[in-house]
Amino acid sequence: EVQLVESGGGLVQPGGSLRLSCSASGFTFSSYTTHWVRQAPGKGLEHVSAVNPDASLTYYADSVKGRFTISRDNSRGTLFLQVTSLRTEDTAVYYCVTDFRSGGADCWGQGTLVTVSS
Amino acid sequence: EAVLTQSPLSLPVTLGQPASISCRSSQGLVHSDGNTYLNWFQQRPGQSPRRLIYNVSKRDSGVPDRFSGSVSGTDFTLKISRVEAEDVGVYYCMQGTRWPYTFGQGTKLEIE
Repeated sequence: EVQLVESGGGLVQPGGSLRLSCSASGFTFSSYTTHWVRQAPGKGLEHVSAVNPDASLTYYADSVKGRFTISRDNSRGTLFLQVTSLRTEDTAVYYCVTDFRSGGADCWGQGTLVTVSS
Repeated sequence: EAVLTQSPLSLPVTLGQPASISCRSSQGLVHSDGNTYLNWFQQRPGQSPRRLIYNVSKRDSGVPDRFSGSVSGTDFTLKISRVEAEDVGVYYCMQGTRWPYTFGQGTKLEIE
């Protein structure tokens, strides 16, 4: 069974940092593009970052560019998102999403909540 | 980036009646490989989004056949032939043709 499990979220003060992790199982993680998509409380979905299988290509939303860094450890089947200089508007559930089947974004984790507040 | 505009944003439906959600793209979504990567997701309260439809009209495994997708130009439609109580939630369209993936604003389906 294809599974993604996020961790690392929590309550952090403005300007703080966190490292989000996503552990993949049930498929060959190293073969698939993987993303972070976030959802602020009561709001819609925002594509935050992406990385291709060999990490040669990355994407960042303008809202997080220069503050967030996506990376992956294919040997461990794990995706990371280092989030720094956090702002209150970064408060959201962060989902790990993989393009396992045709069409993209078919497999989602349960999400990890990041709350930025003083 | 491709902007996706959904309508309506709120959709009250009577049980057993049909429902339809529209998603209009600001750009063409045909990929260089010839496919159109327009997906539909369902997000039930308190859950992660679940993909229902991919590549405009293909149903994901386990998705009831009352859900269907179609396209006319850059106007995409998700139809539910007969709404059931378990269909309550928010529905999003998403394009996966190019980065960034972009989502519609979401349509909240409720039972009236």
